[in-house]
Amino acid sequence: KQEVTQIPAALSVPEGENLVLNCSFTDSAIYNLQWFRQDPGKGLTSLLLIQSSQREQTSGRLNASLDKSSGRSTLYIAASQPGDSATYLCAVPGGAAGNKLTFGGGTRVLVKP
Amino acid sequence: NAGVTQTPKFRILKIGQSMTLQCTQDMNHNYMYWYRQDPGMGLKLIYYSVGAGITDKGEVPNGYNVSRSTTEDFPLRLELAAPSQTSVYFCASSSRAGPTYEQYFGPGTRLTVT
Repeated sequence: KQEVTQIPAALSVPEGENLVLNCSFTDSAIYNLQWFRQDPGKGLTSLLLIQSSQREQTSGRLNASLDKSSGRSTLYIAASQPGDSATYLCAVPGGAAGNKLTFGGGTRVLVKP
Repeated sequence: NAGVTQTPKFRILKIGQSMTLQCTQDMNHNYMYWYRQDPGMGLKLIYYSVGAGITDKGEVPNGYNVSRSTTEDFPLRLELAAPSQTSVYFCASSSRAGPTYEQYFGPGTRLTVT
């Protein structure tokens, strides 16, 4: 059974510092890994989807890396801003049908001005 | 496109009451999902559907029922609400079979059972 873990559960950084968010998964036979952002009381916004054949995916200040062999993905956010404060979740699909996602518990990020 | 919409946004239920959480998507997606998120936790799959008329259980289906009579709608039914069902419920959809396709999420329904 796939298990997804995100450590730390919470992170606080001063504005301008780079953010490094970790995601680990137990079954390396994944097709892709998706990173989401969740604002308090809100739904999930997809940030990046990195395919298993890729090692990196970039969008603006966001960069996600994937190392299937070690069961890890890292989300980097460059030059953090107070608006980056949110909870970040990673998820991997699993199961024979339906693309069901298994989620990590999330990392709650606070960027202090 | 509105994407994935959910109603209501908030609801308070008494123990033993019933309700239906509505989910609609206008992207003509075949695959739809219901997740629940407990405080400080990730999301867990309740039920999913691979097309109209086809549903299957996820990780935590007990206490819930679903139906899928149309491509657009995927309602989630709670028959006898219990405090353990206090959670935020998210509906999601994706376009194609296979795990390489992105899921799109609705804004969630925050449910409290007292």
